[in-house]
Amino acid sequence: AIQMTQSPSSLSASVGDRVTITCRASQGIRNDLGWYQQKPGKAPKLLIYAASSLQSGVPSRFSGSGSGTDFTLTISSLQPEDFATYYCLQDYNYPHTFGQGTKLEIK
Amino acid sequence: QVQLQESGPGLVKPSGTLSLTCAVSGGSISSSNWWSWVRQPPGKGLEWIGEIYHSGSTNYNPSLKSRVTISVDKSKNQFSLKLSSVTAADTAVYYCARRNTGFGESNAFDIWGQGTMVTVSS
Repeated sequence: AIQMTQSPSSLSASVGDRVTITCRASQGIRNDLGWYQQKPGKAPKLLIYAASSLQSGVPSRFSGSGSGTDFTLTISSLQPEDFATYYCLQDYNYPHTFGQGTKLEIK
Repeated sequence: QVQLQESGPGLVKPSGTLSLTCAVSGGSISSSNWWSWVRQPPGKGLEWIGEIYHSGSTNYNPSLKSRVTISVDKSKNQFSLKLSSVTAADTAVYYCARRNTGFGESNAFDIWGQGTMVTVSS
């Protein structure tokens, strides 16, 4: 199975900060990667698909980049509602695998 | 718009079988999408369990394959998960989700149920 390694596992930041989360695949996955936001007690929410495409209705402060093995999720200016846990997910092959998550906390 | 709703027992005895159903509303399960199960143990990350297409084709996580069965009931517009020989390690929130294949050449899990907590305990 492809391993997805996210970093950092946790991150403290302030409102207005620019934040970057990375995800590295153990083998090339083209651009078959999505980013998901999960708030406590809630289901994950799709933010980015195909590594860099913004899902409809998601604020433009979220962006994704990368291809092959290295991917990034960037939040350009943190808002209070962005404090959550973020996961990457590869759907290049089976089994689909998630990163271990990055918990974004308020500094 | 399409909505998903999980249902099933919240408590299962060890060595028993976990059975959950995901009802699809606002759209047809026979659309060109895959229908998935994902779980999340308390305080931990997400794990993909498997998926089914309306034709009945399935894909499973090898780590669970020997214990998992996912089925579809097109007449009821729903799909189901059965996980046998459960242990405390199977205690988790179970989500159903749609893997939308309509993002150009890509796909993504764009719709999720709210999740249902299943505890394995005697």
